[in-house]
Amino acid sequence: QSALTQPASVSGSPGQSITISCTGTSSDVGAYNFVSWYQQHPGKAPKLMIYDVRHRPSGISNRFSGSKSGNTASLTISGLQAEDESDYYCSSYTMSNTVIFGGGTKLTVL
Amino acid sequence: QITLKESGPTLVKPTQTLTLTCTFSGFSLSTSGVGVGWIRQPPRKALEFLALIYWNDDKRYSLSLKNRLTITKDTSKNQVVLTLTNMDPVDTGTYYCAHSDLYSSGYYGNDYWGQGALVTVSS
Repeated sequence: QSALTQPASVSGSPGQSITISCTGTSSDVGAYNFVSWYQQHPGKAPKLMIYDVRHRPSGISNRFSGSKSGNTASLTISGLQAEDESDYYCSSYTMSNTVIFGGGTKLTVL
Repeated sequence: QITLKESGPTLVKPTQTLTLTCTFSGFSLSTSGVGVGWIRQPPRKALEFLALIYWNDDKRYSLSLKNRLTITKDTSKNQVVLTLTNMDPVDTGTYYCAHSDLYSSGYYGNDYWGQGALVTVSS
């Protein structure tokens, strides 16, 4: 089963909004509302930012939002801050009863 | 306060079996909706799902590694054990265990993670 497709890198200036896409198929992203997004700083464990497409765990800023259209999920970060510079990964449950991750996106805050 | 910690060998030889233990606190794996999963990350590469076990002993495995993986739980010890057979240098990486809860992170979101355990496969 192939990994979900994410752009290798995105960038934005402080205060701007950016969107990271996560493209799968009708057997994973398109099949369920079980997409999660993680932020990972270098040398650290991942941190859950969004689950079930659009839900934020307790304590996560509302600057982070998730959505989905067809086979593509998206993570939007508004009011970009220097601390948002990190790697971001999406994941999805699949019709094969497993979980797959995306290849990761490096966000640079200019 | 939920915490998880991975333990096991840091170095294994090719063809050997890796056994990793996740010891957790702050929750019970007998509580409805709760699960513990394993995710790994080769150096400078992406995250990869390995396995997940739920409170009711339901399990999920990576399709590509399913034949080599086993996940079990010991509720009385607050532990989850992952075994990966026939280790190869490409299995080198950081292995994480992580908590999921239907009511706080969905069935497939992991909201608490261990610090990770680096495993190197080399002869």
